[in-house]
Amino acid sequence: DIQMTQSPSTLSASLGDRVTITCRASQSISIWLAWYQQKPGKAPKLLIYKASSLESGVPSRFSGSGSGTEFTLTISSLQPDDFATYYCQQYNNYLLTFGGGTKVEIK
Amino acid sequence: QVQLVESGGGVVQPGRSLRLSCTASGFTFSNYAMHWVRQAPGKGLEWVAVISYDGNNKYYAESVKGRFTISRDKSKNTVYLQMNSLRPEDTAVYYCARDRTMAAMTSIDYWGQGTLVTVSS
Repeated sequence: DIQMTQSPSTLSASLGDRVTITCRASQSISIWLAWYQQKPGKAPKLLIYKASSLESGVPSRFSGSGSGTEFTLTISSLQPDDFATYYCQQYNNYLLTFGGGTKVEIK
Repeated sequence: QVQLVESGGGVVQPGRSLRLSCTASGFTFSNYAMHWVRQAPGKGLEWVAVISYDGNNKYYAESVKGRFTISRDKSKNTVYLQMNSLRPEDTAVYYCARDRTMAAMTSIDYWGQGTLVTVSS
């Protein structure tokens, strides 16, 4: 199985900050990576697919980049609604795997 | 609009079985792969299984292979997860989810509200 490692596991930031979350794959997954946002008690929400494609309706302050084994999710200016947990997920093969998550907290 | 409604969760003893159902609406069910994803209390997301749009291909996480079976009924717009030989570590909220891409297995764009399965004696 392909392992996905996210860092950091927790991130403290202020409103307006630029935030970057990293996801590393244990082997190359090309661009087959998605990012999700999850709030407590809610189902995840798709933000980014194919490493850098923004899902419809997602604010443009979210962006994704990377290929191969290293990927990043960037929030250009942190808003109140963005405090949540973020997960990466690979779909290079049919055995999908998620990263461990990054919780974005208020500083 | 796309809706996914899970049912069948509950409390079950270790070693017993449970079947989850997920009824879909708002899209052409037979065009999309369907996934089950779970989340143990206070933990991260774990992908469980996927079934292709036509039901011909099924894939499972190593942690459930041989114990869980995913299936679908296009006449009922429903996907199932049959869970046998349940263990305490299977305790989680189970989400039904739709693949984002028609006739493929990729990322997930729609999720149900989740159903809680608790395995305990």
